[in-house]
Amino acid sequence: QQPVQSPQAVILREGEDAVINCSSSKALYSVHWYRQKHGEAPVFLMILLKGGEQKGHDKISASFNEKKQQSSLYLTASQLSYSGTYFCGTVAGGTSYGKLTFGQGTILTVHP
Amino acid sequence: DAGVTQSPTHLIKTRGQQVTLRCSPKSGHDTVSWYQQALGQGPQFIFQYYEEEERQRGNFPDRFSGHQFPNYSSELNVNALLLGDSALYLCASSLSLTGTANSPLHFGNGTRLTVT
Repeated sequence: QQPVQSPQAVILREGEDAVINCSSSKALYSVHWYRQKHGEAPVFLMILLKGGEQKGHDKISASFNEKKQQSSLYLTASQLSYSGTYFCGTVAGGTSYGKLTFGQGTILTVHP
Repeated sequence: DAGVTQSPTHLIKTRGQQVTLRCSPKSGHDTVSWYQQALGQGPQFIFQYYEEEERQRGNFPDRFSGHQFPNYSSELNVNALLLGDSALYLCASSLSLTGTANSPLHFGNGTRLTVT
């Protein structure tokens, strides 16, 4: 089943922060985050494994709450280059070889 | 280091026809996954190939089939095309060693298929 992302869209000014959430009804093995700019391929941001691990990538970080089967992506001091559609992808079940299922996406727009 | 390459970039077909899309994975990757992305939607998993066999399959009809070659490249075939098959088809490669859960997907730029 597809994970659910919220919000569907976010509009920011440069320097503002944003949080994108991803929820699943299934027990998750891991959560991936990708960003896709218009007309381009999705680009990998980070993977979080079950265990509540939090990762960071420049000013973009994420957390994974295994009990709630939720992940959040944090974008701080946003830059124009952060604009795009963000997708979470989840691998459910007890195996690390399950399929990666993507959410519907969150459109992030950063204005000057 | 070449990334994931897909061909063709655009394709226009008529209902009922058949189409073949091609993908070369990133150097060093042995696993290829195919996704269908409709406009404004997230990528939908079609299937995954590893060691020339289909390892995982999403909820797509048998009209969708694939193949992986010994050099890890892959093809996606769609028979009896429907208007609803119009979408961006993305190929993604990864390394199987640590499993899907631990291995980032590297996407190609996709093939835009239009069915008229």
